[in-house]
Amino acid sequence: NAGVTQTPKFQVLKTGQSMTLQCAQDMNHNSMYWYRQDPGMGLRLIYYSASEGTTDKGEVPNGYNVSRLNKREFSLRLESAAPSQTSVYFCASSLRLAGGGTGELFFGEGSRLTVL
Amino acid sequence: RKEVEQDPGPFNVPEGATVAFNCTYSNSASQSFFWYRQDCRKEPKLLMSVYSSGNEDGRFTAQLNRASQYISLLIRDSKLSDSATYLCVALNTGGFKTIFGAGTRLFVKA
Repeated sequence: NAGVTQTPKFQVLKTGQSMTLQCAQDMNHNSMYWYRQDPGMGLRLIYYSASEGTTDKGEVPNGYNVSRLNKREFSLRLESAAPSQTSVYFCASSLRLAGGGTGELFFGEGSRLTVL
Repeated sequence: RKEVEQDPGPFNVPEGATVAFNCTYSNSASQSFFWYRQDCRKEPKLLMSVYSSGNEDGRFTAQLNRASQYISLLIRDSKLSDSATYLCVALNTGGFKTIFGAGTRLFVKA
């Protein structure tokens, strides 16, 4: 029972390099999210996708791009990594509620990114 | 100012104690509220939803105060295993932009 799978789990980049974090869910959820977590800052929403074909900015979208490739997959791209993007990144998914909006979020195990 | 604010703690309590956390939200249109639990270096997991009338799940009680725009989490008879960070969420009805508070750290000691 995989749930939400993120890859890679660990990555070290040099400033200016690019990379893509991959996320896939097998729960047939409609909505997907990318968060970053830094010490003392809690989870901050980067981008979210309410449904396949839509993406929206969250609290801290600068420096990131996303692609909702299909219902299962939602990727996060860093075009030119900066040390300030050193963080733990979490992907999450949720089911769209019958009355609209989202329910419980299910998270992946996180991806630890270090930018030197 | 973040849309959802929490006292970061840490709260240090002995086993068996009762502890309460508050979480304030700034958007008066928020209608759905949740508490998540996050263990050290793990992903967050849903602890409980918060209903308008308040709700209880074993040793955990969640309350909503719309007038003052805060939700609370009460943990009775604390266990060592309750040590974690507790995160709150406030969401608009029909909304998807799920914003978390920064979390409150709890340490329960023997």
